[in-house]
Amino acid sequence: GNSVTQMEGPVTLSEEAFLTINCTYTATGYPSLFWYVQYPGEGLQLLLKATKADDKGSNKGFEATYRKETTSFHLEKGSVQVSDSAVYFCALSGGSSASKIIFGSGTRLSIRP
Amino acid sequence: NAGVMQNPRHLVRRRGQEARLRCSPMKGHSHVYWYRQLPEEGLKFMVYLQKENIIDESGMPKERFSAEFPKEGPSILRIQQVVRGDSAAYFCASSPPGTGFTEAFFGQGTRLTVV
Repeated sequence: GNSVTQMEGPVTLSEEAFLTINCTYTATGYPSLFWYVQYPGEGLQLLLKATKADDKGSNKGFEATYRKETTSFHLEKGSVQVSDSAVYFCALSGGSSASKIIFGSGTRLSIRP
Repeated sequence: NAGVMQNPRHLVRRRGQEARLRCSPMKGHSHVYWYRQLPEEGLKFMVYLQKENIIDESGMPKERFSAEFPKEGPSILRIQQVVRGDSAAYFCASSPPGTGFTEAFFGQGTRLTVV
């Protein structure tokens, strides 16, 4: 079945550092890929998405490119801020998981001032 | 346009009681999804409903859990005879017809604590 594997946390960085959170997936068909962010005590917010190979999703300085050849959707940001501290979830839907979204286990990111 | 509304935000139940969690989808959304998040874990799919129909309940425990999305009113996730292991955050998401999860939005969740 479809699955998502993402980098385990926690990840701790200094402010203005470069961020990469790795995400790889296994899927049949052609899934859509997502990154969601969860701030403390809150629900999930869609951060960005890509619906087909080579698409790049971007939002709030974050980017991720749908790489079908490596089945990856790594999240990157050039200069993180303290306010980026949160849990980040990689996810997919479609293909054989058409009726639901499948989440990775989440990566907790902490940014030091 | 209000977002997905879940209530209550926090719910405390004693073992053996019933828990009822409500989800009002965004206006125009006819699809509802329920997820459970155990402490320090990711979200696990439970059930996908459309108005008056359960489409996919492959993630629902076989006993004590049920969900509905009536023609009028919110979607309800019901947990009967709660146990400590049911303590978790329960999230609802909604999407408009025909879009699947390319256009889904999440509520802020209900945090259930069983004491």
